[in-house]
Amino acid sequence: EDKVVQSPLSLVVHEGDTVTLNCSYEVTNFRSLLWYKQEKKAPTFLFMLTSSGIEKKSGRLSSILDKKELFSILNITATQTGDSAIYLCAVIYTGNTGKLIFGQGTTLQVKP
Amino acid sequence: NAGVTQTPKFQVLKTGQSMTLQCAQDMNHEYMSWYRQDPGMGLRLIHYSVGAGITDQGEVPNGYNVSRSTTEDFPLRLLSAAPSQTSVYFCASSRLAGGFSSYNEQFFGPGTRLTVL
Repeated sequence: EDKVVQSPLSLVVHEGDTVTLNCSYEVTNFRSLLWYKQEKKAPTFLFMLTSSGIEKKSGRLSSILDKKELFSILNITATQTGDSAIYLCAVIYTGNTGKLIFGQGTTLQVKP
Repeated sequence: NAGVTQTPKFQVLKTGQSMTLQCAQDMNHEYMSWYRQDPGMGLRLIHYSVGAGITDQGEVPNGYNVSRSTTEDFPLRLLSAAPSQTSVYFCASSRLAGGFSSYNEQFFGPGTRLTVL
């Protein structure tokens, strides 16, 4: 059975801290891994990772994929209270569909 | 463009009642899907569709039916609601996946919060 597992499930840090969120997967028809941020409503897209070892960056957020060890990490440096959210990773399957399977999510709380 | 719209925003049902959650998109997307989100469970795929007349099951399809008679609409039906179906439901749409390195972003609706008593 295909699965995507995130850790930790929840995390509390203080502003300025650096956090690392983990996502491992066991998927038979892996194409790409996606990271989303979910605040109060619907998830919003952060990154797509398809190749191993290539870091994607957006401001204080960065992410990398290891296809040999089947995991990805999302780093957030100099955290701010606005980073408080649920972070979801998802795997997109090969084939001509948009089918995704999501992990459980990591709830991040950043305290002032 | 309105994007992906869902109605209703909130709904309370009694066990055994039936209802339909509506989802519509105006972006001419081929792919549409329904997810449910429960605390600590992420988003779980219920059903999805790659075009009008084509639907398939996701991870948790039991208790739900779907149909796709038009490109725009993808309703989710609960035939006999159960307390285990209390959840937040998200509809999403995207273009069908293109080349290997391309990603057609999934656009999510605002969600429907359903409570089954």
